[in-house]
This record gives sequence, structure tokens and C-alpha cells, in this order.
Amino acid sequence: DSGVTQTPKHLITATGQRVTLRCSPRSGDLSVYWYQQSLDQGLQFLIQYYNGEERAKGNILERFSAQQFPDLHSELNLSSLELGDSALYFCASSVFPSARAGELFFGEGSRLTVL
Amino acid sequence: GQQVMQIPQYQHVQEGEDFTTYCNSSTTLSNIQWYKQRPGGHPVFLIQLVKSGEVKKQKRLTFQFGEAKKNSSLHITATQTTDVGTYFCAGETGANNLFFGTGTRLTVIP
Repeated sequence: DSGVTQTPKHLITATGQRVTLRCSPRSGDLSVYWYQQSLDQGLQFLIQYYNGEERAKGNILERFSAQQFPDLHSELNLSSLELGDSALYFCASSVFPSARAGELFFGEGSRLTVL
Repeated sequence: GQQVMQIPQYQHVQEGEDFTTYCNSSTTLSNIQWYKQRPGGHPVFLIQLVKSGEVKKQKRLTFQFGEAKKNSSLHITATQTTDVGTYFCAGETGANNLFFGTGTRLTVIP
């Protein structure tokens, strides 16, 4: 158990819909990262927050948005869903503001299926 | 843009054989991290390399960071069935984006 909690574990929805994925980082971790993993693919970096502020941005679509709340949990909002958005979405946390400083702790992931 | 490629994409080995995966970046990396993802699981941190030419060992696993800090390798000696999974390298440039490689999926045949 990494200490990172993601909900829901599984989500099935239809094209055009909007979903929200939630992540609670490890106790004490200030950084939250979101990654997308499509079937048999690598991990695509989406976005990072540190202590409530956006810290780094990757290949995140305009239809996607995220935020980190004062209690440090984070939400990833996916809207106008398309079939290609079906993937496993991982949240990872770290105590450091920079990815270079140390390891990331990953949650179990939220598997999104868009029909 | 930043790319981190890994080869091979898949590797099947007999139990007891050695295994190596290679990671190559299009740009110089400030550090490289390695993760393992078991089937159906989530990535788990293995190690971080920071210095040019650095070599680190963890039991049967040997990690290397290239002199130019653009490539890295993970070598497993005498694979076991518990080594099954996908191995990812992850590199960070100065932009604080941790880019994961494409991964190498290892299958160990008992």
C-alpha cells in the first residue's frame, strides 16, 4: 500500500460525458502528479500540483482540468469524453516540489472506460 | 519534444536467464528513475540515478546512467518469476516534468 488513495477504481461512462477522478496523496506529501496510461502504453504525464499551485504541465488536453485543494487532495476533471480517453489514470504523490528530488508514490489508479 | 524511448518493448526469457532493458532520451537528463509495474498493478519506485556514469546495484538488479546522461540501463541477473512486470525508466529535464519511457514488458518462463 503506497498510501495514495484514488477513487473511483473503475468508471464506465458514455462519450460526451464528464467525470471527476479523485486523489488523496500520502500524508505529508505536497506534490500530486497525474498520469494517463492507455492500454499497453507508457505513462503520459498530464499535470503536477504542489501545495495547491500548478507546478508543471504535460500533454494535458484542454478538455481536461485539475486542481489541488487546501487539504491537498486533487481532482482531475475529464469532459466531453471520447473513446480514446479510455485509460488508466494514475495519481502519484511526493513530498518534494520537484520530480528530480525523489521517488513518486503511485495510487492504484482509476480505470476509465468510455463507451 | 522530450522523448524517452525504451528497448525492447517486450522480452521473454527463461527463468535463470539474464535480462536488460535500455532507456534513451533525446535530451540530457538531470536524473533518471526506474519503476516496476506488476501486471494489474501500479508503478513502484526502484531507484534513482543522478551522477554521470553512476552504477547502482540492488541484489540481482544493476542500474547504470550513461556518461552523457542521455541513456540508462537496467540489468537483471538470473531472472526469477517474481521479476515479471513492466519496467519503466523516467527522466527529468530542467522543466520538472518526469517523462516515463515506453516501458519493457518482461515475461519469465518457468
